[in-house]
Amino acid sequence: ILNVEQSPQSLHVQEGDSTNFTCSFPSSNFYALHWYRWETAKSPEALFVMTLNGDEKKKGRISATLNTKEGYSYLYIKGSQPEDSATYLCAFLSNFGNEKLTFGTGTRLTIIP
Amino acid sequence: DTGVSQDPRHKITKRGQNVTFRCDPISEHNRLYWYRQTLGQGPEFLTYFQNEAQLEKSRLLSDRFSAERPKGSFSTLEIQRTEQGDSAMYLCASRAGSEQFFGPGTRLTVL
Repeated sequence: ILNVEQSPQSLHVQEGDSTNFTCSFPSSNFYALHWYRWETAKSPEALFVMTLNGDEKKKGRISATLNTKEGYSYLYIKGSQPEDSATYLCAFLSNFGNEKLTFGTGTRLTIIP
Repeated sequence: DTGVSQDPRHKITKRGQNVTFRCDPISEHNRLYWYRQTLGQGPEFLTYFQNEAQLEKSRLLSDRFSAERPKGSFSTLEIQRTEQGDSAMYLCASRAGSEQFFGPGTRLTVL
C-alpha cells in the first residue's frame, strides 16, 4: 500500500500572506508527482506534474519543489488571494507500470479577506 | 472547464437501487480513469481503460460495480444494489501525455 500524506489538513491564511504546505510520498519506485487544485463544485485542476529530483515549477503566484530522494514536495503560494481558496491535492505515480494515481487527503486552504 | 464532463452531477438513490453514471472524456484522449472520493479521503483509483479495453481494476471495485467504455469514447460506471457505503464522489479523468484531466464528479448519496 502506497502512503501519500499531506499536511496540514487545513489552513486559514490572511489575504496577502504567503503560505506553503507539504506532500510526502514513498521515496522508492518514484515516477511522477502531480499537484491539483480543487475548488468546490468544480473539476480538480492540474497545477504541476513533477518528475525530476530538484525540480521547481512555477505558475503565476504558485510554485512547487520536489525532493524524490527524501520523498517530499512543497507547494508555495505567494501573496494569497481569495480565489486561492480550494483543496490542494498531491498524487503519486509509481514506476510499477500501472497508471493509477495515489492521492493524499488534501490540504484545505481558506483565504481570509 | 477541463473538457471532461460527467452526468449526472448529483444522484440520490435508495439502498438497493441500481445507478449508472456517465463520463465523456476529452475526445482525443485514449485513456480514461474512474476514482472515488469518500469524506475526509483523497480520491481512490477504481479502474482505467485504454480505448475500449479495461486494463486494471482496483480491489475496491466489488462485483456490484461494472464499468464500460464501449467504443473507446464515453464510459459508464454502474453500481448495482447500492449500499450506504457507496455514498461518495465519483470522479472521471482522461489522459493524453502526462496529465490526467478530471471531470467535476458525480456525487452519489445512498439513503
